[in-house]
Order: sequence, then C-alpha cells, then structure tokens
Amino acid sequence: DTGVSQDPRHKITKRGQNVTFRCDPISEHNRLYWYRQTLGQGPEFLTYFQNEAQLEKSRLLSDRFSAERPKGSFSTLEIQRTEQGDSAMYLCAEIQGDTQYFGPGTRLTVL
Amino acid sequence: AQSVTQPDIHITVSEGASLELRCNYSYGATPYLFWYVQSPGQGLQLLLKYFSGDTLVQGIKGFEAEFKRSQSSFNLRKPSVHWSDAAEYFCAVANQAGTALIFGKGTTLSVSS
Repeated sequence: DTGVSQDPRHKITKRGQNVTFRCDPISEHNRLYWYRQTLGQGPEFLTYFQNEAQLEKSRLLSDRFSAERPKGSFSTLEIQRTEQGDSAMYLCAEIQGDTQYFGPGTRLTVL
Repeated sequence: AQSVTQPDIHITVSEGASLELRCNYSYGATPYLFWYVQSPGQGLQLLLKYFSGDTLVQGIKGFEAEFKRSQSSFNLRKPSVHWSDAAEYFCAVANQAGTALIFGKGTTLSVSS
C-alpha cells in the first residue's frame, strides 16, 4: 500500500456545477498522474506533473478541466460546468521508481 | 501508436482451477509491461511488472506472467484460483515517452465454487 489518498471518494453533482478533487501522494516532488476510468474501460491518461510543473496533457482534458499541483505536493483536479459524460472514476497515481501506484479514486456521478 | 488488447472481456473459473488472462501489446521497442488488479469500487493494485531480463515474472498473490516478444504477449497466470481473486484485471504498457500508462479494457474474472 503506497498510501496515495484521494478526497472525496464519491461525489454526486448536478450538471453544470463545478467540482474539485484532491490527491495526496506519499512523497512530494515525485511524478503525479491523473487518469479517468469510465464504466467497462481501462483507465485513460489525463495529465501528469513533475513537481509543480504540468508536463503533459491528454486530448481528453478539455478546457473545462484544470489541474494544479502547488508546491509540488498535493494535486487538485477541477471540472467546470460538469456534463453527464464526465461521470467516471478519477484516479490519481504516484510514480515510485519506474512504477505507478494508484490511489482509491474519486467516483463522480453527474445527474 | 502503442496499444494493449485484452481479448477476453469476462472469464469464469472454478475455485482451485488454473487461470490464464491474455494480453497483447503493440509497441516498437522493448516494452515496460504491467498487470494491475481492481476490486469493485477500489483503485488499482500492482500485481507484477516486466522491464527486462527473465521473461517469467513473479508477482504478488501467487500470480506470474510471461513476456513473449515473438507473440507480443504478456499473459497472466495463476495455478490455483481462490474466490478472493474475483476482480477486474488490467494489462498496461508504458508509453514511448515513459510518461503514462496505456491500459487494456480489462478482463473481469468470476470464480465459481
């Protein structure tokens, strides 16, 4: 257990609302990743950070999505004007060596 | 582009029977390969990984996987399945830049008594 934590574990929101998720890795300054997993699919890469720098963003990360990692420690993922298609599990991962270790995820349901 | 294919969406195995989950990858160079397991409502737990060296890799919970370059495969095996192994299994390959994982769609394992 790497101890990557995510908050909240579940979020139900109405379409059009903004939501923010938080990820706390074990170690500061390691690479930190965000993935999205929809029902029946494997996780899909969204973005990653090295320290506080966001180094890569997937095409999946529309303008309504923004991620930050202030001071290279915890990270937040915000979705503005949520849509029903945003309903998914959002997973955070921390890299240790060459391996990514995942948190428990935040399940978002958009009504 | 790199990709991972898990041909079996759902597999049912009797408790105590052997298991093999298939994974095929598409990648030009030597791949970094992973198997993860996900229980309902949970995050992903690493079972094992292959970077180089011995092509038979041992993991946690009695799982092993064999890398076969000629077949572009990295199949997961377990000699005797336990009811607690029921979960979803994902094969993944690190992308060429080494910055992200590319996952297959997963195989759901059910264990019958």
